Amino acid sequence: AQSVAQPEDQVNVAEGNPLTVKCTYSVSGNPYLFWYVQYPNRGLQFLLKYITGDNLVKGSYGFEAEFNKSQTSFHLKKPSALVSDSALYFCAVRASGSARQLTFGSGTQLTVLP
Amino acid sequence: EAGVAQSPRYKIIEKRQSVAFWCNPISGHATLYWYQQILGQGPKLLIQFQNNGVVDDSQLPKDRFSAERLKGVDSTLKIQPAKLEDSAVYLCASSWDRGNEKLFFGSGTQLSVL
Repeated sequence: AQSVAQPEDQVNVAEGNPLTVKCTYSVSGNPYLFWYVQYPNRGLQFLLKYITGDNLVKGSYGFEAEFNKSQTSFHLKKPSALVSDSALYFCAVRASGSARQLTFGSGTQLTVLP
Repeated sequence: EAGVAQSPRYKIIEKRQSVAFWCNPISGHATLYWYQQILGQGPKLLIQFQNNGVVDDSQLPKDRFSAERLKGVDSTLKIQPAKLEDSAVYLCASSWDRGNEKLFFGSGTQLSVL
């Protein structure tokens, strides 16, 4: 079975400060990892993905994520938060070579305070 | 490009009634997904189509839920009869093909079963 844990329901950060949204995963074999963002009354939008290669993945809107195999983590980061980054963030995982579809975490609400 | 279109945006019904949701994916996208997102949880895959064929419906409650994608373009998800626990947002997503995990999501249909 594959699963994703987002240990924080809510993350608050001041505008201009760095932000981190945490994600850990469990999967058999090598993981494919993803971050999606959901703005109010909108569908989920793809941010970035890790398939293989460099552990630091860069995505949309200045976000990046670091894959750590030993800690089974894929934390989302941004050096300087914007108020417009406030949204619901979902981590997702799938086992490489598996026919199974993406399993999403329960989401983390990010609030950037002006 | 035009995004994934879903309708209706909101629906309120009483338990034991039936309801249908419609989705029109991005033009040219072969793969279409229906997800259920219960408040406070991440999206859960209900069914995946590749063109007009079902690829994965292992988590679809087939005694009450049905879905079709005639002609391999738009799709309809139906619930009959609805239960209170079906209250959720139903998200449609599409992607270029089955192996591409960059999903494009619609805004969803928020269903309330009273």
